[in-house]
Amino acid sequence: GAVVSQHPSRVICKSGTSVKIECRSLDFQATTMFWYRQFPKQSLMLMATSNEGSKATYEQGVEKDKFLINHASLTLSTLTVTSAHPEDSSFYICSARGREVSYEQYFGPGTRLTVT
Amino acid sequence: GNSVTQMEGPVTLSEEAFLTINCTYTATGYPSLFWYVQYPGEGLQLLLKATKADDKGSNKGFEATYRKETTSFHLEKGSVQVSDSAVYFCALNEKDGGFKTIFGAGTRLFVKA
Repeated sequence: GAVVSQHPSRVICKSGTSVKIECRSLDFQATTMFWYRQFPKQSLMLMATSNEGSKATYEQGVEKDKFLINHASLTLSTLTVTSAHPEDSSFYICSARGREVSYEQYFGPGTRLTVT
Repeated sequence: GNSVTQMEGPVTLSEEAFLTINCTYTATGYPSLFWYVQYPGEGLQLLLKATKADDKGSNKGFEATYRKETTSFHLEKGSVQVSDSAVYFCALNEKDGGFKTIFGAGTRLFVKA
């Protein structure tokens, strides 16, 4: 099956700094990528949807200036958490959908962000 | 809008017990339905899926049938193992919803030896 990777798997940063998370589709071209956030013991909440070459569409309540999403190529999307604060600490998961007609999304393994 | 409701956990079972995790959905069109599993500290893995009414998805002894008349997609396994301990998410994905996957709240399963 298709594989989606994320890097880094874990990151610790200081409050006020920015951190970038990469999401890559390794063996298919991802026309659409999704970014989710998961709080401890809770479900996944969709943050934004990005299509290759266009601006991301953010869900209601998600600050687009704080969570910068770039989908510059068919295999790479990045999420940058700007001026991170402890409340941004969370598990961030990306998923990607291939160009072929399919309703299936392939999920990355997640990135655990801790802001101290 | 589209939504998924699944039974609250945690569910605690003894090894070899029968498992049912209920899931119902609300959708405007004809969604595909999924069960994902998340092991501690890991990302999501697709467990099984069904794309149309009456389809049965199955994998690793788990199965679920897409019931349009009851808008349900209950997860079942005849004999659970300790290694099945994880969080299970029911989800739907619909073209009319922009292919966004909507997740249920998740049900944590503990299996005791």
